[in-house]
Amino acid sequence: GQNIDQPTEMTATEGAIVQINCTYQTSGFNGLFWYQQHAGEAPTFLSYNVLDGLEEKGRFSSFLSRSKGYSYLLLKELQMKDSASYLCAVREDRGYQKVTFGTGTKLQVIP
Amino acid sequence: ETGVTQTPRHLVMGMTNKKSLKCEQHLGHNAMYWYKQSAKKPLELMFVYSLEERVENNSVPSRFSPECPNSSHLFLHLHTLQPEDSALYLCASSLGRGHPNEKLFFGSGTQLSVL
Repeated sequence: GQNIDQPTEMTATEGAIVQINCTYQTSGFNGLFWYQQHAGEAPTFLSYNVLDGLEEKGRFSSFLSRSKGYSYLLLKELQMKDSASYLCAVREDRGYQKVTFGTGTKLQVIP
Repeated sequence: ETGVTQTPRHLVMGMTNKKSLKCEQHLGHNAMYWYKQSAKKPLELMFVYSLEERVENNSVPSRFSPECPNSSHLFLHLHTLQPEDSALYLCASSLGRGHPNEKLFFGSGTQLSVL
């Protein structure tokens, strides 16, 4: 099975940098996702890591350490529109997507 | 627009009602999913269909009955629900067949309230 932990809430200032951590325990790991979900909307894909290291995509970066069961999402130059929930999710590959989600981290960006 | 459309967006039903949630994807994907999202809980996987065959039933009560008539459409039939079933029900799709870097595309969900 899967066990995924991430902080429930975070607050950060517009223009700053914030790091959202995720730890996981899994019986079969085949990648880690980060999704963004604004209130009342569908989750949308942000990043995917399957190998150790940092993946950078514009203002967002995601890091993975498989040996430590650890990932983080880094958001730079925060904007008010980044206020949302950020969902960490771990994938098992069974020929389809067996994806287990954490509870999500609700990020509030303040002026 | 994610390419996954869910209807209705909101649904209020009594415990004795029967209703259905509908999901349609226009992405040519082979796999479709139902997730339940309750307040302060993780997204819970309910059902997975791969090429119209149910491949996962995550211990969901029988009052929830999925149907996948083809790879583009997915339904969730509801009957004799309980108030604790009130939640956001999200449909998702993916390429299927274990494609590398495969990701889920979600619909906007149906906010269900059971009275």
